[in-house]
Amino acid sequence: DTAVSQTPKYLVTQMGNDKSIKCEQNLGHDTMYWYKQDSKKFLKIMFSYNNKELIINETVPNRFSPKSPDKAHLNLHINSLELGDSAVYFCASSQRNSGGSQFFGPGTRLTVL
Amino acid sequence: DQQVKQNSPSLSVQEGRISILNCDYTNSMFDYFLWYKKYPAEGPTFLISISSIKDKNEDGRFTVFLNKSAKHLSLHIVPSQPGDSAVYFCAASADDFNKFYFGSGTKLNVKP
Repeated sequence: DTAVSQTPKYLVTQMGNDKSIKCEQNLGHDTMYWYKQDSKKFLKIMFSYNNKELIINETVPNRFSPKSPDKAHLNLHINSLELGDSAVYFCASSQRNSGGSQFFGPGTRLTVL
Repeated sequence: DQQVKQNSPSLSVQEGRISILNCDYTNSMFDYFLWYKKYPAEGPTFLISISSIKDKNEDGRFTVFLNKSAKHLSLHIVPSQPGDSAVYFCAASADDFNKFYFGSGTKLNVKP
């Protein structure tokens, strides 16, 4: 059973399109995250939700909009895709006050042409 | 500006020997540190953590050392095994388990 799953695994699209990446966790965690791994391989946090409430919103273009319909899901919608959005996006989850260790999904490689 | 740095992009070690992966940070407010291991096409998996109240934490073959004055931590793997070949990320948090800053990773290759 996959603890944190993301779909799709690969996403190739044209500039200007709108796309969504879905994330689901079956660990019963109360906190979920989106990270972006850029070309320099740094993992940078984008958003964090705790019990469906946005608690971290880093300096991310407002073309990126997370949506958490329930504690087990955190989707990422991206409008008007740009070349610089090409990256690997990781979803993660954790239980707050559990020592910080996060469980990551397998990543979604987004390529914008 | 990257607050967590892993200056060695890669490291090659012979099986059975010790692997030492290094990580430096700039924010003196960081008080909790983690190491993650990542295989290709998978997400990072948690390996070991250390709080700033300690200077060492050990878990089997993995030991993390923290030097707060130098703002430096290291991960020791001994003995190294071929299955340890992966990318290792260090991460740090300042008084908030939700927000972690990650380094760029070090790719470890353990040769049989």
